[in-house]
Amino acid sequence: KAGVTQTPRYLIKTRGQQVTLSCSPISGHRSVSWYQQTPGQGLQFLFEYFSETQRNKGNFPGRFSGRQFSNSRSEMNVSTLELGDSALYLCASSLVGAALEQYFGPGTRLTVT
Amino acid sequence: GQQLNQSPQSMFIQEGEDVSMNCTSSSIFNTWLWYKQEPGEGPVLLIALYKAGELTSNGRLTAQFGITRKDSFLNISASIPSDVGIYFCAGIIQGAQKLVFGQGTRLTINP
Repeated sequence: KAGVTQTPRYLIKTRGQQVTLSCSPISGHRSVSWYQQTPGQGLQFLFEYFSETQRNKGNFPGRFSGRQFSNSRSEMNVSTLELGDSALYLCASSLVGAALEQYFGPGTRLTVT
Repeated sequence: GQQLNQSPQSMFIQEGEDVSMNCTSSSIFNTWLWYKQEPGEGPVLLIALYKAGELTSNGRLTAQFGITRKDSFLNISASIPSDVGIYFCAGIIQGAQKLVFGQGTRLTINP
């Protein structure tokens, strides 16, 4: 069974731009969670989607948003990029919810210049 | 804020040595997960624990869900070079529906 895939793997953007990241969960998994990983803050939870609905949200500004499609694929969008948004963005999928085992994708390395 | 305290932050050991790391919290957890992350990759799930006192092994790895439900440990026996990486504990606090992560333990092995 294929694992979680994320595209693109690497991205360079400039301040003020916006970016969209994509995540395809493991087949059959309905929950997708997004995390931001930085050396200083570690892994921080962004939000979780289940059946196309945002079910949980972390403490990030409204510039960070996401959505989930009927096939469980998810996208994350960051608007008005700031230098501090440079990070590894990880997507994780699980069968029915973030309260169970989550399987991570390889991440998208975003660099904001 | 950070709700999981993972220690040690880093370890430098000789190949063949055993390794032990742990996570503690003031909160009660329903689930403990242990992940390993290598450079440029996402975390890989190693072990999942769901019951207080549960002891689970995965090859040379052994993890336990603390009796108080506020801690967990991971042991690696007879370390080998491919064990190098960052190990994260993660847990689901009772009543919550999201994972919280420890800060990670960076393991370095001298051959």
